[in-house]
Amino acid sequence: NAGVTQTPKFQVLKTGQSMTLQCAQDMNHNSMYWYRQDPGMGLRLIYYSASEGTTDKGEVPNGYNVSRLNKREFSLRLESAAPSQTSVYFCASATPNTGELFFGEGSRLTVL
Amino acid sequence: TQLLEQSPQFLSIQEGENLTVYCNSSSVFSSLQWYRQEPGEGPVLLVTVVTGGEVKKLKRLTFQFGDARKDSSLHITAAQPGDTGLYLCAGATGTASKLTFGTGTRLQVTL
Repeated sequence: NAGVTQTPKFQVLKTGQSMTLQCAQDMNHNSMYWYRQDPGMGLRLIYYSASEGTTDKGEVPNGYNVSRLNKREFSLRLESAAPSQTSVYFCASATPNTGELFFGEGSRLTVL
Repeated sequence: TQLLEQSPQFLSIQEGENLTVYCNSSSVFSSLQWYRQEPGEGPVLLVTVVTGGEVKKLKRLTFQFGDARKDSSLHITAAQPGDTGLYLCAGATGTASKLTFGTGTRLQVTL
């Protein structure tokens, strides 16, 4: 079972460069999420999508954009990367009703 | 922004010891989840508690939701090295579409 797949797993960027993190889930979930994880701060929600065609801001959306391409795919884009965006990024999808989150393995991004 | 504080932040114990991790907030949650995360992986759900005062057991792990649904605890009996990891609590308000995660407790169990 693939579950939630994220690419790339590692990326190093220079300040000002752009990149897109890709995420796909095969569990037919409506809801998908992007979180960032920083030491001592737990997981913070960047953006989420309750269903195909809808996206909403989370706690820390500044500097990011998202696209819900279809039910399976939810991408996160950094238009102009900054060192403060150095983090581990997790994509997740959720079961309906219970809201149990299924996470990908994470994408470790370093911005120099 | 709702805040979920976990304590302790770090815990290093020997195999066989018992421990309790706490998750506290000033907000009321409709449900609370506990996840465990191992290095290089995403968090994995352990349990969801919904009712105030609810107690759930998962082998050697006991989870409790506070009566007022503002706090929760995780108790591990006779810890084993396989329990090592980052434990995260996450609270939901209203629908479960947006979870607020706690700051995490990093547990290390040594032989």
